[in-house]
Amino acid sequence: QQQVKQSPQSLIVQKGGISIINCAYENTAFDYFPWYQQFPGKGPALLIAIRPDVSEKKEGRFTISFNKSAKQFSLHIMDSQPGDSATYFCAASKAAGNKLTFGGGTRVLVKP
Amino acid sequence: GAGVSQSPRYKVAKRGQDVALRCDPISGHVSLFWYQQALGQGPEFLTYFQNEAQLDKSGLPSDRFFAERPEGSVSTLKIQRTQQEDSAVYLCASSSIGNTEAFFGQGTRLTVV
Repeated sequence: QQQVKQSPQSLIVQKGGISIINCAYENTAFDYFPWYQQFPGKGPALLIAIRPDVSEKKEGRFTISFNKSAKQFSLHIMDSQPGDSATYFCAASKAAGNKLTFGGGTRVLVKP
Repeated sequence: GAGVSQSPRYKVAKRGQDVALRCDPISGHVSLFWYQQALGQGPEFLTYFQNEAQLDKSGLPSDRFFAERPEGSVSTLKIQRTQQEDSAVYLCASSSIGNTEAFFGQGTRLTVV
């Protein structure tokens, strides 16, 4: 059972463009929603995280939008750079520090 | 150490062999997680330790998988009688109590031939 669904599977964006990745979850007990960035041969690294009591969180060029009623959240990467080319995973857990349920991942390629 | 360290980085095992994967978490981190990441997919939870206690092993796919953390620091994930479907990257993550961020190691890529 896939509890966190992520789309698209891949996307190509021009340098300076906006990358948008969407996730939907089913378990209403989830209370912590992080995004991870993974480069080939490396482990995932935390990018930004949000809790359901806020609808948006911004850190630099990265923004999470959260819609609790729709059980959806998204990552926006503004002014995309070639160095942002990586695989991005959304995740969810019942509390920060608990086990994570990951989405299937989105491979992002930023063309110079 | 500076981060979560996993060894070996790569392991090739013949089908039926037993393997042991090691994780050195960040010093002082109480929580330790193991995840399995199949090619092109997101990591999937295997098991969780708080200090030496294995509090959740609901993600272990079969009784061939066994994990331990006897002294509350280093952890070992053991897979007995490996099968081709065990081929994946095995990721270890650690975090401190009260810290929201789980830090991941680089993983061990297991290939069963």
